[in-house]
Amino acid sequence: NAGVTQTPKFQVLKTGQSMTLQCAQDMNHNSMYWYRQDPGMGLRLIYYSASEGTTDKGEVPNGYNVSRLNKREFSLRLESAAPSQTSVYFCASRPPGTHTDTQYFGPGTRLTVL
Amino acid sequence: GNSVTQMEGPVTLSEEAFLTINCTYTATGYPSLFWYVQYPGEGLQLLLKATKADDKGSNKGFEATYRKETTSFHLEKGSVQVSDSAVYFCALSSGTYKYIFGTGTRLKVLA
Repeated sequence: NAGVTQTPKFQVLKTGQSMTLQCAQDMNHNSMYWYRQDPGMGLRLIYYSASEGTTDKGEVPNGYNVSRLNKREFSLRLESAAPSQTSVYFCASRPPGTHTDTQYFGPGTRLTVL
Repeated sequence: GNSVTQMEGPVTLSEEAFLTINCTYTATGYPSLFWYVQYPGEGLQLLLKATKADDKGSNKGFEATYRKETTSFHLEKGSVQVSDSAVYFCALSSGTYKYIFGTGTRLKVLA
């Protein structure tokens, strides 16, 4: 049982390049999330998907797009990377249920945009 | 809107010292409250949670009590170890799919 996996672990991009961050979970969870973590700012929600086929904006969606490919996979795309997108990105999932349930996090992708 | 405020770090303690990390929240309704821990180079993992007022969450010697009257969920441990060095996040969830996280408090425990 791998839990939540993310690829790649590290990535360096030049300004203007595009890339997709991959996330998959094998726990049959309905809800999936993308966060970014920046020093002194905690975790900020980029996008989330309450269930397969739905996605919604979080706190900081500008410059990102997402795809909920199926129940297992939720990808995050940067179409034209900017230095302000240098951050650590975490994917998370949550089992079906109420807000009492715990989120499960992946190990993160450390992205640097030059 | 909902928010979480936790104490600024870093917090530096000697091994076996008592730990308190303060967390207060603002929320409508009856949120669930969480403490997550992040070890260097890793993702967040749940440390403990409480889902209603006066509940006490506990795990690995850490405790936190859901205090609705003071809107607080302070994290405590009676005797910290070097292995507790990490970043601790307070979070809440309230009736939606979204979670609100505090900014994190870095704890460093010295041998």
